[in-house]
Amino acid sequence: EPEVTQTPSHQVTQMGQEVILRCVPISNHLYFYWYRQILGQKVEFLVSFYNNEISEKSEIFDDQFSVERPDGSNFTLKIRSTKLEDSAMYFCASNLDRNTEAFFGQGTRLTVV
Amino acid sequence: GESVGLHLPTLSVQEGDNSIINCAYSNSASDYFIWYKQESGKGPQFIIDIRSNMDKRQGQRVTVLLNKTVKHLSLQIAATQPGDSAVYFCAETKTGNQFYFGTGTSLTVIP
Repeated sequence: EPEVTQTPSHQVTQMGQEVILRCVPISNHLYFYWYRQILGQKVEFLVSFYNNEISEKSEIFDDQFSVERPDGSNFTLKIRSTKLEDSAMYFCASNLDRNTEAFFGQGTRLTVV
Repeated sequence: GESVGLHLPTLSVQEGDNSIINCAYSNSASDYFIWYKQESGKGPQFIIDIRSNMDKRQGQRVTVLLNKTVKHLSLQIAATQPGDSAVYFCAETKTGNQFYFGTGTSLTVIP
């Protein structure tokens, strides 16, 4: 069964450092997303991406965040200068079309120290 | 902005009983809803979805009910099993660009 894969599963970084979280969406999907979940809280939308550009982003997705699809398979989230409050689980998701089931990866746990 | 909330943060049921998990949503324009299951340390897993032109949809052991009048969504799990223990989120969307998730209900199945 096709699945969304994310690497690494856990990333520890020092405050102020840049991190790149990686995702491989399901191969025939066209829409890609990043969500985050702070421990014990709900899943929050960060950004959606389609046709090589951001289609929507939330207030959380400020100038410190960027996304890229560098090739035909990877979808990355970069945080330029991490803050303590960026510590969370980051989930990548993809779907074939909007308003259809979004498949989520297993997440990357980011810990900023 | 939109908000999706859950009435019951925790729910405990006996194995074999039916479970009902509720969700209230605030955006009357939302037209697509999904229930996700999240086990500890894992990503949300799709359970069932429903569009706003329907009021009921059934899957295997699960049923989703949508009441647009009161903006209420429920997930019914029949013959609940220990493997159903997880946090359940409802999620809504209008544009399809982003889903708004509720805070989650933790379901514990007692063997």
